[in-house]
Amino acid sequence: AQSVTQLGSHVSVSEGALVLLRCNYSSSVPPYLFWYVQYPNQGLQLLLKYTTGATLVKGINGFEAEFKKSETSFHLTKPSAHMSDAAEYFCAVTLNNAGNMLTFGGGTRLMVKP
Amino acid sequence: NAGVTQTPKFQVLKTGQSMTLQCAQDMNHEYMSWYRQDPGMGLRLIHYSVGAGITDQGEVPNGYNVSRSTTEDFPLRLLSAAPSQTSVYFCASSYRRGLFNEQFFGPGTRLTVL
Repeated sequence: AQSVTQLGSHVSVSEGALVLLRCNYSSSVPPYLFWYVQYPNQGLQLLLKYTTGATLVKGINGFEAEFKKSETSFHLTKPSAHMSDAAEYFCAVTLNNAGNMLTFGGGTRLMVKP
Repeated sequence: NAGVTQTPKFQVLKTGQSMTLQCAQDMNHEYMSWYRQDPGMGLRLIHYSVGAGITDQGEVPNGYNVSRSTTEDFPLRLLSAAPSQTSVYFCASSYRRGLFNEQFFGPGTRLTVL
């Protein structure tokens, strides 16, 4: 079985600062990894995904994540935070190559200060 | 396309009452699923379906029933509501075949059981 741990349930950054949201996974085989974003009172939207190949993955809105197998990590970064980035972010993992049957982390709420 | 729709948006029940959460999608997706979202626990899979007439249990199925009579609809039934079922419920859909399909989420139903 696989699991996901997101370190830090709340992260606060200033506008223009680096965003770093941490995600570590546990899996017996290399999983497929996803980041989803949830804006207030909305459903989740796909931000980016790692499947195979290049370990640095670029997503929407300037976000990117790097898959590090040796560290079992898939941290999400953005060089410069914007007020509109304030949301909850979820890391998810699956062993299903159709992208279904996701296991989610507990989520990290990102707050951006002006 | 309306995408994934859920009704109602809000619901308050008394312990022991029953109700059905509705979910519909117009993208001809074979795969549909129900998640519940609780603070600090991310989203947990309740039930899923890989096509009309086929359903299966996820991580937290107890107290919930589902059926899938059409490709479009996937209702979630609470037979006898309990306070532990107070949560936000999300329906999601995606293609079943193909690789690394994006899950599309509905806007959620916020349920309170008194």
